[in-house]
Amino acid sequence: EVQLVESGGGLVQPGGSLRLSCAASGFTFSSYWMSWVRQAPGKGLEWVANIKQDGSEKYYVDSVKGRFTISRDNAKNSLYLQMNSLRAEDTAVYYCARMSYDSEDFFDYWGQGTLVTVSS
Amino acid sequence: SYVLTQPPSVSVAPGKTARITCGGNNIGSKSVHWYQQKPGQAPVLVIYYDSDRPSGIPERFSGSNSGNTATLTISRVEAGDEADYYCQVWDSSSDHFWVFGGGTKLTVL
Repeated sequence: EVQLVESGGGLVQPGGSLRLSCAASGFTFSSYWMSWVRQAPGKGLEWVANIKQDGSEKYYVDSVKGRFTISRDNAKNSLYLQMNSLRAEDTAVYYCARMSYDSEDFFDYWGQGTLVTVSS
Repeated sequence: SYVLTQPPSVSVAPGKTARITCGGNNIGSKSVHWYQQKPGQAPVLVIYYDSDRPSGIPERFSGSNSGNTATLTISRVEAGDEADYYCQVWDSSSDHFWVFGGGTKLTVL
């Protein structure tokens, strides 16, 4: 059974940093692109970043470029999101999601999410 | 950037058919994927590549895509289908690349 378990969320002041983690199990982690998708309170879904199987390619939504860094450790079956210079508008539930195997077009499994609140 | 437009809400009586639309410029030339999200839960993929269903998703869920509109159809609606539904495409010209619609709240009367 595919499982994705996020951790690391919490309350942080504007300008602060936070590192999210996602522990994957039930599939060959190193064979899949992985993503972070977020959802602000009461709002819709927004793709944030994703990373290729070997970490050689990374993509970010414009609003987080230069502030967020996605990474992975295939030996630990783990995905990470380092978030720096956090803003109030980054407040959201952050989901770890596996991308479809053949084309990376969609997200076939999601974790339960971890809440990040940016507030003073 | 590419924009996907969904109606904020759709209401349907139990046993009837619900149709949730997703509008986009020439969306028929793209592959559309649909997610169901119940309150307090993570999204679940219900349709991919316009009309394919993942294992475990009931046959009552179907999809179509043509022209400027993609449609998620839920037949014989049940109370448990009440949720938010999001469409999604991949668009290389968008700063978001992986673009979601704004979501549609399905209410079962």
